[in-house]
Amino acid sequence: ILNVEQSPQSLHVQEGDSTNFTCSFPSSNFYALHWYRWETAKSPEALFVMTLNGDEKKKGRISATLNTKEGYSYLYIKGSQPEDSATYLCAFGSGYALNFGKGTSLLVTP
Amino acid sequence: GAVVSQHPSRVICKSGTSVKIECRSLDFQATTMFWYRQFPKQSLMLMATSNEGSKATYEQGVEKDKFLINHASLTLSTLTVTSAHPEDSSFYICSAKGTSGGDPLRNEQFFGPGTRLTVL
Repeated sequence: ILNVEQSPQSLHVQEGDSTNFTCSFPSSNFYALHWYRWETAKSPEALFVMTLNGDEKKKGRISATLNTKEGYSYLYIKGSQPEDSATYLCAFGSGYALNFGKGTSLLVTP
Repeated sequence: GAVVSQHPSRVICKSGTSVKIECRSLDFQATTMFWYRQFPKQSLMLMATSNEGSKATYEQGVEKDKFLINHASLTLSTLTVTSAHPEDSSFYICSAKGTSGGDPLRNEQFFGPGTRLTVL
């Protein structure tokens, strides 16, 4: 079992605020880092898969960066909206299994 | 595309009974399916990996005789919790990898919505 840590555990922001979360993972035997958005009663939805050190990905107001040498990834949400409320999971891929963090639960209120 | 369904979404059963959970890939062929379990306030933990037509590979600490996995077709895998006990109460979620190519090292998986199992 590989240790994947996410912080903060939960976050409550106002609509329009920008926010970011952290995912830290082992820096050895790296294959890929995955970010998922998981809304209640729905399937986790893949946001990004990142494989290269220095990678930056963007999807609308959401973006992510990756530092494989120091073992962390940041997820940013610009101008949060209520529909962004969800749990954001990161998962470290070591070539076989996905090792998940516990997630960051985001609540965006109007 | 890449939709995975899971049934049932919620099940309550008596201790000692068996429960079957189905995981289906609706619009792609899944050569590999994964079963995860999540206890409250914990992360998703991989239980087993199944490849179509072969025996599942179980993670350390997961009893293969208790959690029976069948992956008989490229679109269906089932997890049967046999002789369920209250400590098996958990959230079970499946994911699937397709045959559509892509970088295998990225290990992209598509998830079902999960099944909440409560054993009384």
